Amino acid sequence: GAVVSQHPSWVICKSGTSVKIECRSLDFQATTMFWYRQFPKQSLMLMATSNEGSKATYEQGVEKDKFLINHASLTLSTLTVTSAHPEDSSFYICSAILAGTGKRYEQYFGPGTRLTVT
Amino acid sequence: AQKVTQAQTEISVVEKEDVTLDCVYETRDTTYYLFWYKQPPSGELVFLIRRNSFDEQNEISGRYSWNFQKSTSSFNFTITASQVVDSAVYFCALGFTGANSKLTFGKGITLSVRP
Repeated sequence: GAVVSQHPSWVICKSGTSVKIECRSLDFQATTMFWYRQFPKQSLMLMATSNEGSKATYEQGVEKDKFLINHASLTLSTLTVTSAHPEDSSFYICSAILAGTGKRYEQYFGPGTRLTVT
Repeated sequence: AQKVTQAQTEISVVEKEDVTLDCVYETRDTTYYLFWYKQPPSGELVFLIRRNSFDEQNEISGRYSWNFQKSTSSFNFTITASQVVDSAVYFCALGFTGANSKLTFGKGITLSVRP
């Protein structure tokens, strides 16, 4: 149980275009999802916290108008990278917290999406 | 402020050697959770262990063992008789419950196990 999927697993897009990444909790409901970014040979950096039905909370230094997050249901959060540039090329990972258990320390991670902007 | 320090960046060992990965954390909270994750070349994070701040018992799981010492704010991870399949990046992370449930990751340790 507690499986999180991401789609696509990898994507190549041209500079200036937008790309959407989906994060789904397959067998549980998630009131909170997190989006992380990981550059090559670096650690995971939290970009934003996404709560179902409300606006996402972005970490300092993350442009909310560039990285649009929508958490429209208890099983789906999306991250849209708008007007992507080569410096946005990275590995994007989402995680989800099981709703209703009180175990907010327990995050289930998706497999990640590798974005390459040419 | 919360912080996780993994001072070792890269470790290379020969198969069957034991290896210890160090993790030091900082927090003013009394209730917190510590984690270790493995990230193989595929990129997907693999959960290894979670420990809460009130449980200082060491844990052993097969070839893996963890040493949690609050006195030194450390949560070290030892792999006994390492294998090539253990080659990966290992992250230590600090987390909390309640509203502030986000994880703070260390920079990771790249472990290479040579045959």
